[in-house]
Order: sequence, then C-alpha cells, then structure tokens
Amino acid sequence: GESVGLHLPTLSVQEGDNSIINCAYSNSASDYFIWYKQESGKGPQFIIDIRSNMDKRQGQRVTVLLNKTVKHLSLQIAATQPGDSAVYFCAEIRNAGNMLTFGGGTRLMVKP
Amino acid sequence: KAGVTQTPRYLIKTRGQQVTLSCSPISGHRSVSWYQQTPGQGLQFLFEYFSETQRNKGNFPGRFSGRQFSNSRSEMNVSTLELGDSALYLCASRAEVRPGMNTEAFFGQGTRLTVV
Repeated sequence: GESVGLHLPTLSVQEGDNSIINCAYSNSASDYFIWYKQESGKGPQFIIDIRSNMDKRQGQRVTVLLNKTVKHLSLQIAATQPGDSAVYFCAEIRNAGNMLTFGGGTRLMVKP
Repeated sequence: KAGVTQTPRYLIKTRGQQVTLSCSPISGHRSVSWYQQTPGQGLQFLFEYFSETQRNKGNFPGRFSGRQFSNSRSEMNVSTLELGDSALYLCASRAEVRPGMNTEAFFGQGTRLTVV
C-alpha cells in the first residue's frame, strides 16, 4: 500500500555538524507534509511543515526540502546540538484530508 | 495558551477490561485526532473528530471507539482489551482555518496503556 517511509533508522552526527534526515512518500496526491520531533516519554513536537506548492521552507536552524519529482522530503538541521537528539518523523496529509500518515521514524544521536 | 492535555498519563489494565482515555485540545481547536504508537507499527491513525462528528477512521477494530463533546474535548474507549493494545495513545488537535485547509497538528504527551 501507499506509505511514507524513511531511508535511515539511525543517524549519528557530531555536535556542531549539519544533519540531514530523509523521507520518501509514494502518494503524489499528498499536498501537505510535516516533520515532527519526539523525545523519550513525550508526544511528537511540530518542527516545520511544507505545502506541495513549495520546494523549500526554512525555520530556525531547520530547513525542509520537498522534491515532488522523486517524491522525497528531507529535514536539514544546522549546527546540530545535543538537544536535537530524538526520533524524527515525517508525516503527510493527502488530498486536503485530516489524517496524518507517518513514516517509521529516524533516531538522531548527537555525539558531544 | 495551554497545550493538548491527555489524561491519565499511565494506565495498567487487565485483558478483557475496557478503558477510557481523555483529551482536551488546545483552546479554539475543533479537530481532535487519536493515534496509536507502538514499537512495531509506529504511529497509526485511529480516528478524527470535528464538531462532535467522526470525520475519518483508521483501520482498527470496532473495539476502538471515540466521541467528542461540544467543548471539543474527546474521549476514546477500548473495550475487551488485548495484550496487543499496549501502546502509547496520542491525541492531536488542529485548528481548521477554513474547510480543507491543512494546518499543523499539535500532540499531547500521550497515555501509556499497558495491558497485562
């Protein structure tokens, strides 16, 4: 079935380096994407979103890139900090619906 | 502005029992969704309520049900609990600026349900 997935289950980076977390989606009708960060014992926390009519959006230290041609989404974190250590999920909403479909998650580990 | 509040935070139940979980959305948010999170299946959509009506439903058995009240607070109920129902149950609220416009969903801390 159609799904949203992640390429890497675990990503380990050095503090201060940039991190890139990738996500593939299969439904070309998806029109809204969100990245969430989930720390241990907490619910997912909204990081950044992007609509399908955009290919890039920047936030504070984070950038989301959307490549609709290859159905690929990425989250870039600049100057990664220990507090960025968490599991990151991409999610999509299809056809102006109201259901989030989540990817499997990538664990980001930041080495001091 | 208070965030999404879920109660209780932790629950231990016995197989066969039923459980009710509660979610209070962010003030002004009328859309409330429920998700189940397990290590094996990840985050899966259960259902979504808007203005006291179930608007979307995921692929879960009828033992999982929910409702929404006029103040947008929502409850979900699981009857005849099974061991496999052990999970983190997350509630998310969204503001619907206008019909069909997607906006970000804000999650609560979740209710950790353990079925023994």
